[in-house]
Amino acid sequence: LAKTTQPISMDSYEGQEVNITCSHNNIATNDYITWYQQFPSQGPRFIIQGYKTKVKNEVASLFIPADRKSSTLSLPRVSLSDTAVYYCLVGFSMDTGRRALTFGSGTRLQVQP
Amino acid sequence: DSGVTQTPKHLITATGQRVTLRCSPRSGDLSVYWYQQSLDQGLQFLIQYYNGEERAKGNILERFSAQQFPDLHSELNLSSLELGDSALYFCASSVAPKIGTNNSPLHFGNGTRLTVT
Repeated sequence: LAKTTQPISMDSYEGQEVNITCSHNNIATNDYITWYQQFPSQGPRFIIQGYKTKVKNEVASLFIPADRKSSTLSLPRVSLSDTAVYYCLVGFSMDTGRRALTFGSGTRLQVQP
Repeated sequence: DSGVTQTPKHLITATGQRVTLRCSPRSGDLSVYWYQQSLDQGLQFLIQYYNGEERAKGNILERFSAQQFPDLHSELNLSSLELGDSALYFCASSVAPKIGTNNSPLHFGNGTRLTVT
């Protein structure tokens, strides 16, 4: 199965910019890259999605290089409430010919005052 | 509120038992996905249905099965439960007819916490 790789944890301080990179070497040609945020005992929440180059919304930016084998989630000026686990999600092709979605191992972001 | 409803929120049962978890997708979403998240573990993809048909299988045990009904709600059946099956089980839905296609993010419910004693 395809695999995504993220740093296990990151630490930051309030007001700083945080960049989390996910490697996804086997991403399928037509698949989008999606990032999610998860707080304890809650379901993951959609943050941002992109296919290539740069995407930006009101909470984050997503940078995807031309080869699409990685992506970087950028959180501007983090606050304490951004402390959570961040997952990247890509599609991949299974041996059966069908495709599935797999999450990375997640990056635990700890924001300190 | 994601619009995805999962019931029950909590479930405590004994080893060897069978339970059914229920999921109602967001209005208009045809795809339903099931994920398992054990303590301090990532999200493991179990199975996906689209409009009543199974579309993909991940790391789902043979003791587990799922189905999607004509009204698009889905049920995950877990049988011969073991202690190691204790986990959060999430359901997600999306509008996409195919997995991972353009601009169709997953919307997650808040999960069912299963405790097997």
